[in-house]
Amino acid sequence: NAGVTQTPKFQVLKTGQSMTLQCAQDMNHNSMYWYRQDPGMGLRLIYYSASEGTTDKGEVPNGYNVSRLNKREFSLRLESAAPSQTSVYFCASRSPGLAINEQFFGPGTRLTVL
Amino acid sequence: QKEVEQDPGPLSVPEGAIVSLNCTYSNSAFQYFMWYRQYSRKGPELLMYTYSSGNKEDGRFTAQVDKSSKYISLFIRDSQPSDSATYLCAMYSSASKIIFGSGTRLSIRP
Repeated sequence: NAGVTQTPKFQVLKTGQSMTLQCAQDMNHNSMYWYRQDPGMGLRLIYYSASEGTTDKGEVPNGYNVSRLNKREFSLRLESAAPSQTSVYFCASRSPGLAINEQFFGPGTRLTVL
Repeated sequence: QKEVEQDPGPLSVPEGAIVSLNCTYSNSAFQYFMWYRQYSRKGPELLMYTYSSGNKEDGRFTAQVDKSSKYISLFIRDSQPSDSATYLCAMYSSASKIIFGSGTRLSIRP
């Protein structure tokens, strides 16, 4: 099993450009998440999807959109990138029925917006 | 004020030392407490978790929760260079999403 995969690994954008970050998991998990990680700020939740067909805003959703394409895939779109969106983006998934809310993370996408 | 506070470090100790990593929190509803380990340029991985108060031990690692003080700790005994990573505390209540600390960067010197 590959676990959680993310593409691309690195990306440089100019202000105003758009792009989609892709995430896929092969663990048959229902819930999927998008976080951003910035120095001194920890992981902050952007959007999450509790199950296929549903999405909800997290702590910092402004400037982002998401699509839960199917059970495996959850994409994050930046419509008009801004320098404040320079960050490392992590996708995570979670299995239902566990006693603890353990999330499995992908390797991250390092995004720079110039 | 952040819901979860964590000293960012960096913390540098010699190999074999005992390491203490800590977080404080403000939300008394938190019941589940976790520690994630994140190696450089990797995603976080769950290291340990505890429910409510008390201690939990797993090999060289001990997680401790003091709900009366809203304070959690992770102790690493006989630290190894392979323990060098960023450690993030995380916590939640049954009705909430996970809140992560900002992480403490730890370096173990051989």
